[in-house]
Amino acid sequence: EVQLVESGGGLVQPGGSLRLSCAASGFTFSSYWMSWVRQAPGKGLEWVANIKQDGSEEYSVDSVKGRFTISRDNAKNSLFLLMNSLRAEDTAVYYCARVVSYLYPGIFDYWGQGTLVTVSS
Amino acid sequence: EIVMTQSPDTLSVSPGERATLSCRASQSVSSNLVWYQQKPGQAPRLLIYGASTRATGIPARFSGSGSGTEFTLTISSLQSEDFAVYYCQQYNNWPPGAFGGGTKVEIK
Repeated sequence: EVQLVESGGGLVQPGGSLRLSCAASGFTFSSYWMSWVRQAPGKGLEWVANIKQDGSEEYSVDSVKGRFTISRDNAKNSLFLLMNSLRAEDTAVYYCARVVSYLYPGIFDYWGQGTLVTVSS
Repeated sequence: EIVMTQSPDTLSVSPGERATLSCRASQSVSSNLVWYQQKPGQAPRLLIYGASTRATGIPARFSGSGSGTEFTLTISSLQSEDFAVYYCQQYNNWPPGAFGGGTKVEIK
């Protein structure tokens, strides 16, 4: 059974940093692109970033470029999101998601349950 | 950047009735569109990809249609477990993958 379990969320002050983790199991993690998608409270979904199987390619939404870094550790079946210079508008539930295929970078077939990041003073 | 617009914002439907949800793209996305279902407090669930192909395990009462800029998700006979928010998303022009704002299907 495919499982994605996020951790690392919490309350952080504006300008602060946080590192999210996603532990993957039930599939060959190193064979899939992975992604982070977020959802602000009561709002819709927003794609944040994707990373290639070997970590050699990354893409992110303009609003987080230069502040967020997606990475992975295939030996530990783990995905990460390092978030720096956090802003109030980054407050959201962050989901880890598996990308179906590199041919279809926007199709996410499995999702974690999410971890809440709150940016507030 | 492509903008996805869903309508209506909320759809009130009685159990057993048909629900028709719309999604419009600001420019053509071919058939590169997915639909997700999200229930309160849960992660999204993949329903439809390629505009009309059901994902694994999705009941046949869910169907998708359309291409170019106009898309429809139809739930033929609403079950109690189908009351949720539905999102469309294009993956034709990536990145970014724009999501629509969602349509909430509620019990009438």
